[in-house]
Amino acid sequence: DVKVTQSSRYLVKRTGEKVFLECVQDMDHENMFWYRQDPGLGLRLIYFSYDVKMKEKGDIPEGYSVSREKKERFSLILESASTNQTSMYLCASSFNSGKFHPGELFFGEGSRLTVL
Amino acid sequence: DAKTTQPNSMESNEEEPVHLPCNHSTISGTDYIHWYRQLPSQGPEYVIHGLTSNVNNRMASLAIAEDRKSSTLILHRATLRDAAVYYCILRQGGSEKLVFGKGTKLTVNP
Repeated sequence: DVKVTQSSRYLVKRTGEKVFLECVQDMDHENMFWYRQDPGLGLRLIYFSYDVKMKEKGDIPEGYSVSREKKERFSLILESASTNQTSMYLCASSFNSGKFHPGELFFGEGSRLTVL
Repeated sequence: DAKTTQPNSMESNEEEPVHLPCNHSTISGTDYIHWYRQLPSQGPEYVIHGLTSNVNNRMASLAIAEDRKSSTLILHRATLRDAAVYYCILRQGGSEKLVFGKGTKLTVNP
């Protein structure tokens, strides 16, 4: 069965701490994504990666960085956590689609981060 | 990214059909129409997608207007497990990105 696993379901961190959110997929997908979800704002794309060591900014990359050293793993890093980064973080992966054939996204269960 | 408009919420009764509308008047010729849904406390899951023709799968049907400016997700017999937020998304051909809107929260009454 297809699986996207996020390392922690719940985290509590303090302002200024460095935070790592890990995501692992077992489907040999090329693409991986990080979204955050907030009430009233829906899901917003932070960063995505279409290959190892490749990354592209999404709609809200400020305050975040990412790392993709291995195909199956995509990490989201908050260099210095702030209270406005309290949110639900969702990781997803997909195959590279052909030029006009979009691949299905598979999501993890989410990591709820609280920054105090 | 092309924008979609959906009602904030809809209600249905169990075992009745549900038609979830989506407007996408600025759709371009290479945009695919995707639908995802998010059950409570879970990540979104894929439901269906299409380009021009109507599509059916085991979960739902997708009806696409002839001018492609709107589409409708059809759940043929709603169950309590279909209560979720449903997202209609336009995906540009050649792009790997999906940009989610706020979706429609579907409530299914027993």
